[in-house]
Amino acid sequence: GAGVSQSPRYKVAKRGQDVALRCDPISGHVSLFWYQQALGQGPEFLTYFQNEAQLDKSGLPSDRFFAERPEGSVSTLKIQRTQQEDSAVYLCASSPTGVNTGELFFGEGSRLTVL
Amino acid sequence: GESVGLHLPTLSVQEGDNSIINCAYSNSASDYFIWYKQESGKGPQFIIDIRSNMDKRQGQRVTVLLNKTVKHLSLQIAATQPGDSAVYFCAENYRTGGFKTIFGAGTRLFVKA
Repeated sequence: GAGVSQSPRYKVAKRGQDVALRCDPISGHVSLFWYQQALGQGPEFLTYFQNEAQLDKSGLPSDRFFAERPEGSVSTLKIQRTQQEDSAVYLCASSPTGVNTGELFFGEGSRLTVL
Repeated sequence: GESVGLHLPTLSVQEGDNSIINCAYSNSASDYFIWYKQESGKGPQFIIDIRSNMDKRQGQRVTVLLNKTVKHLSLQIAATQPGDSAVYFCAENYRTGGFKTIFGAGTRLFVKA
């Protein structure tokens, strides 16, 4: 379909492993967001891209988290040396514009479980 | 699918009744507000929005009310249906050299048939 696509849908990692989560936004969408959603919680902002520029990374919880969007389309969220507290659903969302009066279109998320 | 919202505030209503879900937002600089619906195993889905220069907006079966004085939003769902059962989040947008969308804590809505 033409929606936001995330992969993998489910990832199980051993503590200390590195993981990479991929987001394919809707074609042509300017803005891309990553959120972390723990069970029973609302989505927590991680980082924001406008095209290839990472304008806000204030929500990344530690320097183990890194996100990129090198060509202004596909984005990857990388988590190094995963810890149990990283277990959550990671949601990607895109928006057609770079202005703040538009809805976000979300993918179904990547569920990360760290053992 | 995976369950979300296990520990969220819960609202239980009878099918056909009206539902009101409330939300407090935090940033006085926020100028655009959205309600999202999230079903188990899925990402949030847009329901309705409102700009800060409005105090009410109506959609199909849904109405959003905004009170900027006390930084409060509400979502009213008319004639609630079983398909409305989900977790509902309010979200606020504000500009930060681009923009940021921040989500509230959420409310789980149960609709009893």
